Amino acid sequence: GDSVTQMEGPVTLSEEAFLTINCTYTATGYPSLFWYVQYPGEGLQLLLKATKADDKGSNKGFEATYRKETTSFHLEKGSVQVSDSAVYFCALNDYKLSFGAGTTVTVRA
Amino acid sequence: DTAVSQTPKYLVTQMGNDKSIKCEQNLGHDTMYWYKQDSKKFLKIMFSYNNKELIINETVPNRFSPKSPDKAHLNLHINSLELGDSAVYFCASSQGTASSYNEQFFGPGTRLTVL
Repeated sequence: GDSVTQMEGPVTLSEEAFLTINCTYTATGYPSLFWYVQYPGEGLQLLLKATKADDKGSNKGFEATYRKETTSFHLEKGSVQVSDSAVYFCALNDYKLSFGAGTTVTVRA
Repeated sequence: DTAVSQTPKYLVTQMGNDKSIKCEQNLGHDTMYWYKQDSKKFLKIMFSYNNKELIINETVPNRFSPKSPDKAHLNLHINSLELGDSAVYFCASSQGTASSYNEQFFGPGTRLTVL
């Protein structure tokens, strides 16, 4: 079945550091890909999405490109802030949303 | 103004009890979902309803019974609660069916603790 694998955390960074969270997927069809973010004590929010190969999703300085050849959707941000501390989930949507295990990111001032 | 709301936010109960969690969305969406998030943050879909009709039912014990009285509400009833049911339960909604690429909007979660 469809599945998502993302890099394990936790990840701890200093402010203004570069962030990459790796995400790869396995799917039989042509899924849409998403990154959701969960801030402490809250529900998930959509961060960005891409619906077809080579699409780039971007939001709040975060970017991810749908790479069909490597079945990847890595999340990047060039300069993180303390407010980016959260759990990040990679997900694919074929007939249902399947989530990766989540990566906890902590940004220190 | 809350798009997807859940009640209660916290639920502490004894093993063997029966409890319900309520979810409401005011976005006019067609599809609603229940997810379970365990202590390691792993998130898994449990159920999905489209226009009050069950369309996704993952491998969930039949102690869990979703009920959708109308398109805007999806409640989760749990019978004979067990320790392993302790988790955070999230409700979500989206426009269109679960197979679309539409964004899902999540509620704030209900933290269930079974003692």
